Amino acid sequence: DSGVTQTPKHLITATGQRVTLRCSPRSGDLSVYWYQQSLDQGLQFLIQYYNGEERAKGNILERFSAQQFPDLHSELNLSSLELGDSALYFCASSVYGSTGELFFGEGSRLTVL
Amino acid sequence: SQKIEQNSEALNIQEGKTATLTCNYTNYSPAYLQWYRQDPGRGPVFLLLIRENEKEKRKERLKVTFDTTLKQSLFHITASQPADSATYLCALGAGNMLTFGGGTRLMVKP
Repeated sequence: DSGVTQTPKHLITATGQRVTLRCSPRSGDLSVYWYQQSLDQGLQFLIQYYNGEERAKGNILERFSAQQFPDLHSELNLSSLELGDSALYFCASSVYGSTGELFFGEGSRLTVL
Repeated sequence: SQKIEQNSEALNIQEGKTATLTCNYTNYSPAYLQWYRQDPGRGPVFLLLIRENEKEKRKERLKVTFDTTLKQSLFHITASQPADSATYLCALGAGNMLTFGGGTRLMVKP
């Protein structure tokens, strides 16, 4: 158990819909990362937050947004969903915002029909 | 463009042998490199970190080398066991970003 909690574990929805994925980092970790993993794309970095502030941005679509709240949990919002958004979405946390190991949650599997 | 390459073909080895996985990169100047293990449907689990000024790192049966001239890291598992069967991901770190390779699936047969 990494100590990172993600909900929901599974989510099935339709194209055009909007979903929110939630992540609670390990106790004491200030930084949260979101990654998308699909079969043909591998693990793709989306966005990182550190203590409530956006720290780094990767290949995140404009339809996607995220935030980190004062209690350090984070949410990833995916809107106008398309079939190609079906993937595993992982959250990871670390103590600091750079270097060091990442602790990953078990992921949220999103299926868009 | 930046690229991290890991052998996409599965590596099959016999129990007890040493498994060697390769991670090559281009157009990167990573400050550090990490290796993770990922089991099907699970989140990646951190194994080792090696910095740009380090040549080799060991942890129990694991060994990682980092050659910034060749732009390559080798990941070794000695005395491999069936329980080592998983996908192994290398990740390059620069600044605040950690970028992952596609991973190599390792199958250790008894």
